[in-house]
Amino acid sequence: LAKTTQPISMDSYEGQEVNITCSHNNIATNDYITWYQQFPSQGPRFIIQGYKTKVTNEVASLFIPADRKSSTLSLPRVSLSDTAVYYCLVGELNSGAGSYQLTFGKGTKLSVIP
Amino acid sequence: NAGVTQTPKFQVLKTGQSMTLQCAQDMNHNSMYWYRQDPGMGLRLIYYSASEGTTDKGEVPNGYNVSRLNKREFSLRLESAAPSQTSVYFCASSEARLAGYQETQYFGPGTRLLVL
Repeated sequence: LAKTTQPISMDSYEGQEVNITCSHNNIATNDYITWYQQFPSQGPRFIIQGYKTKVTNEVASLFIPADRKSSTLSLPRVSLSDTAVYYCLVGELNSGAGSYQLTFGKGTKLSVIP
Repeated sequence: NAGVTQTPKFQVLKTGQSMTLQCAQDMNHNSMYWYRQDPGMGLRLIYYSASEGTTDKGEVPNGYNVSRLNKREFSLRLESAAPSQTSVYFCASSEARLAGYQETQYFGPGTRLLVL
């Protein structure tokens, strides 16, 4: 399975911008990069998805360089409520089953400090 | 819309007992998924269903069976529970006809299972 690599944990003070980088060296041409957020005792929640360059929504921005071997999730001015685990995912084509799977790694545990 | 619902929220089983975890979605999604999450770990895919009537194994299918009862419902069964199956189980759904492909997955609140 294609893998993503991201830091296990990060700390940030309230009000700062947080950038979480994910490596996906084996990304395929058709793969998108998706980020999810998970709060304790809840299921993951979609944050943002992109294919190349930059994507921005009301929650975050996603920066993807031309070679697409990495991506950076940017959270502007984080607050305590942004404390969560952030997962970077790249789809994986299971040619044997003819289907597409997403693989969740361990994610990055972001702790926002007052 | 309730989104993705799961029952029960919490369950305690003894080794060897069986149980079925229920999942339902009201978003008319084609694909549904079952994941497990162990402490400090990411989610691992158990089974998924790309469409009504089809199911496929994920990364960790051993010890589980699934049924895609209809488009709305996808159940996960443990025939003979083992302590190693103590985990939090999440159900998810997506609109994708090709399961997982570039589509947002919507997750339920989870079922916490303890096997003694």
